[in-house]
Amino acid sequence: DSGVTQTPKHLITATGQRVTLRCSPRSGDLSVYWYQQSLDQGLQFLIQYYNGEERAKGNILERFSAQQFPDLHSELNLSSLELGDSALYFCASSVEGGAYEQYFGPGTRLTVT
Amino acid sequence: AQKITQTQPGMFVQEKEAVTLDCTYDTSDQSYGLFWYKQPSSGEMIFLIYQGSYDEQNATEGRYSLNFQKARKSANLVISASQLGDSAMYFCAMILNDYKLSFGAGTTVTVRA
Repeated sequence: DSGVTQTPKHLITATGQRVTLRCSPRSGDLSVYWYQQSLDQGLQFLIQYYNGEERAKGNILERFSAQQFPDLHSELNLSSLELGDSALYFCASSVEGGAYEQYFGPGTRLTVT
Repeated sequence: AQKITQTQPGMFVQEKEAVTLDCTYDTSDQSYGLFWYKQPSSGEMIFLIYQGSYDEQNATEGRYSLNFQKARKSANLVISASQLGDSAMYFCAMILNDYKLSFGAGTTVTVRA
């Protein structure tokens, strides 16, 4: 158990819908990262927050947004969902940003039908 | 852009033997970090080992060691005394000062009894 929690574990929804994925980092970790893992694109970095502020942005679609709250939990919002958004979404946390070990949560498996 | 290459899509190894997983990376940055993660069939991402670009000693964590050859830009993972529980997908990843973690395509390891 990495100490990072993600809810829900599974999510099935229809195209065009909007969903929110939630992540609680390990105790003491200030940095939260979101990743998408799909069969065709592999593991891709989406976005990073550090202590409530956006720090780095990767291949995140405009339909996706995220935030980190004062209690350091983070939410990833996915809207206007398409079939291709079906993937495993991971949250990871680390003490700091950059070259520090990132500990991953169990992931949320999103299926868009 | 940085790139991580794992050329071995799949490997078989006999229980109790050692296995080496190849990883090469491409960056012009002097400061970077290299990670290995394990993803069992259950899906979670497990942090294994980390090597910083300025670390002179090769990183070791229990049965895992990272063979870091900076001039060749390689960061191979060595798993000694393989166990059945080592059967999983293994990902090499690199992080630069922009905080983005880039992953390779992964190598599937199957340990045979």
